[in-house]
Amino acid sequence: QQQVKQSPQSLIVQKGGISIINCAYENTAFDYFPWYQQFPGKGPALLIAIRPDVSEKKEGRFTISFNKSAKQFSLHIMDSQPGDSATYFCAATSGSRLTFGEGTQLTVNP
Amino acid sequence: NAGVMQNPRHLVRRRGQEARLRCSPMKGHSHVYWYRQLPEEGLKFMVYLQKENIIDESGMPKERFSAEFPKEGPSILRIQQVVRGDSAAYFCASSPRQGAMNEKLFFGSGTQLSVL
Repeated sequence: QQQVKQSPQSLIVQKGGISIINCAYENTAFDYFPWYQQFPGKGPALLIAIRPDVSEKKEGRFTISFNKSAKQFSLHIMDSQPGDSATYFCAATSGSRLTFGEGTQLTVNP
Repeated sequence: NAGVMQNPRHLVRRRGQEARLRCSPMKGHSHVYWYRQLPEEGLKFMVYLQKENIIDESGMPKERFSAEFPKEGPSILRIQQVVRGDSAAYFCASSPRQGAMNEKLFFGSGTQLSVL
């Protein structure tokens, strides 16, 4: 119930391409869905977040699409750049607990 | 405004020793969370503390692990009698108020614990 399933585990994209990472959840009590970006040797940093009453949120090249009925949400990175190469985690919150997905290692080739 | 500070960055312990990980939250933040990250895995919630109070420790193993956040000083995650399976990156995060998941949760750079 508390799990957040994330896919793919790793993703390789060419510069300028679109990176898409998907997540699914079961717990309908989750009420906030952030995405975190983590570079090697660093802690995760909040990238973008969405609430379940919104179907899409866009910030620059990053877009979250949210499908409440399917209990799925995804991160789209447009015009992917080598500097976007990092590990991306979806997450979901219920109360004080933040539950993370397993992570996606994104590599953007020049 | 310094971010969340964790030390040490790297900690090596032999089996059976004690590990103490420290976390100083961002200035003005009174809520601290500890997460553990095993290799190739996501972050797993361990414990949520407020100054002098443990709010939620449901993610922390019942034995050998303890956490505190005193009125003065950093939050401490203590692991007694470490075993190889404790080897992981331990991350601390802070927020300015209780259950502030609707706000940014700021993470430190983590402590990499290696148990020999």
